[in-house]
Amino acid sequence: AQSVSQHNHHVILSEAASLELGCNYSYGGTVNLFWYVQYPGQHLQLLLKYFSGDPLVKGIKGFEAEFIKSKFSFNLRKPSVQWSDTAEYFCAVITSGGYNKLIFGAGTRLAVHP
Amino acid sequence: DTGVSQDPRHKITKRGQNVTFRCDPISEHNRLYWYRQTLGQGPEFLTYFQNEAQLEKSRLLSDRFSAERPKGSFSTLEIQRTEQGDSAMYLCASSLSPGQGNYNEQFFGPGTRLTVL
Repeated sequence: AQSVSQHNHHVILSEAASLELGCNYSYGGTVNLFWYVQYPGQHLQLLLKYFSGDPLVKGIKGFEAEFIKSKFSFNLRKPSVQWSDTAEYFCAVITSGGYNKLIFGAGTRLAVHP
Repeated sequence: DTGVSQDPRHKITKRGQNVTFRCDPISEHNRLYWYRQTLGQGPEFLTYFQNEAQLEKSRLLSDRFSAERPKGSFSTLEIQRTEQGDSAMYLCASSLSPGQGNYNEQFFGPGTRLTVL
């Protein structure tokens, strides 16, 4: 069965530190990849997505992610985090023929301290 | 507010009772999804509608669960004879269909938090 693994459940950083959140998926076919973010008290919202083309994708608020097909990975990065980035981050995948249903990882809770 | 709305936001019920949740998608979206999220986990797909047709159901959706989208607009999710294991956040999302836009981003509602005592 298809699945998504997020390596870190909790990450604590100081402001201005760099961030990298790991995400791996298990599916051998074509995938569309996503990172969603949920700020405290808010809805899930899309941070960035990868469909095809340049494997380095840029999203909102200075986030980017790199698709490495050979590693089945889609890691999220930000060079310098802010306190306002405190949130839960979910990696998700849509597989070919998957009716557009998202398969989510367990999430990573990020806390950024001033 | 033109986003996805869900009602109620919170529901506390006793084991064995039936509950029903409602989701109103973004008006021009003809795809509607239900997901369930338990503590410490990401959302898990439950079911999906294209207009009024229910096209896929997860194995997570036991016979006690039923979802409808009678006119292709709002949707309801009913859980009969609730069990403590049904306690979770139930999320609704909607999107356009292929051909109506670029990627069919799923827009999520705020969720209904169910607690079964």
